Amino acid sequence: DTEVTQTPKHLVMGMTNKKSLKCEQHMGHRAMYWYKQKAKKPPELMFVYSYEKLSINESVPSRFSPECPNSSLLNLHLHALQPEDSALYLCASSHTGGSSGANVLTFGAGSRLTVL
Amino acid sequence: GQSLEQPSEVTAVEGAIVQINCTYQTSGFYGLSWYQQHDGGAPTFLSYNALDGLEETGRFSSFLSRSDSYGYLLLQELQMKDSASYFCAVRDNTDKLIFGTGTRLQVFP
Repeated sequence: DTEVTQTPKHLVMGMTNKKSLKCEQHMGHRAMYWYKQKAKKPPELMFVYSYEKLSINESVPSRFSPECPNSSLLNLHLHALQPEDSALYLCASSHTGGSSGANVLTFGAGSRLTVL
Repeated sequence: GQSLEQPSEVTAVEGAIVQINCTYQTSGFYGLSWYQQHDGGAPTFLSYNALDGLEETGRFSSFLSRSDSYGYLLLQELQMKDSASYFCAVRDNTDKLIFGTGTRLQVFP
């Protein structure tokens, strides 16, 4: 299994809603990532988990809350978002740092989020 | 600050060769990667250089010069399906994978 699966594919939410994005991989990767991508822009790193521990938080607002329940799952909890948070949210996984494999990220298809 | 600069757009015809450049300025360097992203799709890994020189993978090759903080992706025998955005990416000394500004490649028949 060489896939990263993200759900839902599309999500529309109001500014007062609470929702979650989910990500799953079964490649034995121990690093998992959340990236945010706006149209015609590069992916921007949000969070990195290494061995289920949060290793990087790129000063993301607290209305985004990541969670890594186990080595295969990664969630992004959303609460009180703003319209400017509308974007494609990409989950990815890789081998952990210190190896060439850490440069090879496998991305999921993304969750396209619209905040009204 | 950290930056990875790429040309915003490149156009070419089917069968041609195109080179996409990437110049980087990062805190530390642990390899240069290239990713392809079709419209509406996810980025997919193409190539990786840890050391100076050329890496060849089928129609795609990638080059790195660490002394110049420069690399490029070379696409040969272009096909229509190669129309996509291409991103270079560098892993820095905090273990982050930072993506370049991206180059949109349009291949015409």
